[in-house]
Amino acid sequence: AQTVTQSQPEMSVQEAETVTLSCTYDTSESDYYLFWYKQPPSRQMILVIRQEAYKQQNATENRFSVNFQKAAKSFSLKISDSQLGDAAMYFCAYRSAFTSGTYKYIFGTGTRLKVLA
Amino acid sequence: EAQVTQNPRYLITVTGKKLTVTCSQNMNHEYMSWYRQDPGLGLRQIYYSMNVEVTDKGDVPEGYKVSRKEKRNFPLILESPSPNQTSLYFCASSLRGLAGGFGELFFGEGSRLTVL
Repeated sequence: AQTVTQSQPEMSVQEAETVTLSCTYDTSESDYYLFWYKQPPSRQMILVIRQEAYKQQNATENRFSVNFQKAAKSFSLKISDSQLGDAAMYFCAYRSAFTSGTYKYIFGTGTRLKVLA
Repeated sequence: EAQVTQNPRYLITVTGKKLTVTCSQNMNHEYMSWYRQDPGLGLRQIYYSMNVEVTDKGDVPEGYKVSRKEKRNFPLILESPSPNQTSLYFCASSLRGLAGGFGELFFGEGSRLTVL
């Protein structure tokens, strides 16, 4: 069974600085998708960034980028130029390719990010 | 506006009183699923549905039921709620298959359930 591990329950970053959130996963599948979701105090789940496992190029969305290391099964999120609005709970998530016949999404336990002014 | 709508958003009930949390999406998504979020445990999948009349268990299905009679609706039923089902519940939907692309989830706003 697949697992997703976020080993940092909480992290802090100074405004305008860079922070990296860690995520590791375990799977025997070769094709899958990885996501980072953000949950601000409003509780709404917001997609931050996504990565296809077969693509070696790391995904980037404005100030958010990932470091995807398939062999190491690592999927970290880097937030550059941190802003107060980035303060939230961040969840790493794994999804099998639909062709696998498995349609479960597996989430990590989350990392709470605090941004200090 | 594309959205996933859950109701109620907040509910306090008592042990054993059946309740239903409704979920509706207007994006014509085939895939719908339910999650519960508990402190320190992240989101755990309860049930999911690939299409109408097709449902399957997630990781924590005990004490819950679902049905998918229409593509847009996927209600979560607690037949006899217990205090350990006190949680924050999310419904989510996505496209699937080749047209699904990444298949990222679109979430509802969450339903806070308290069982006394």
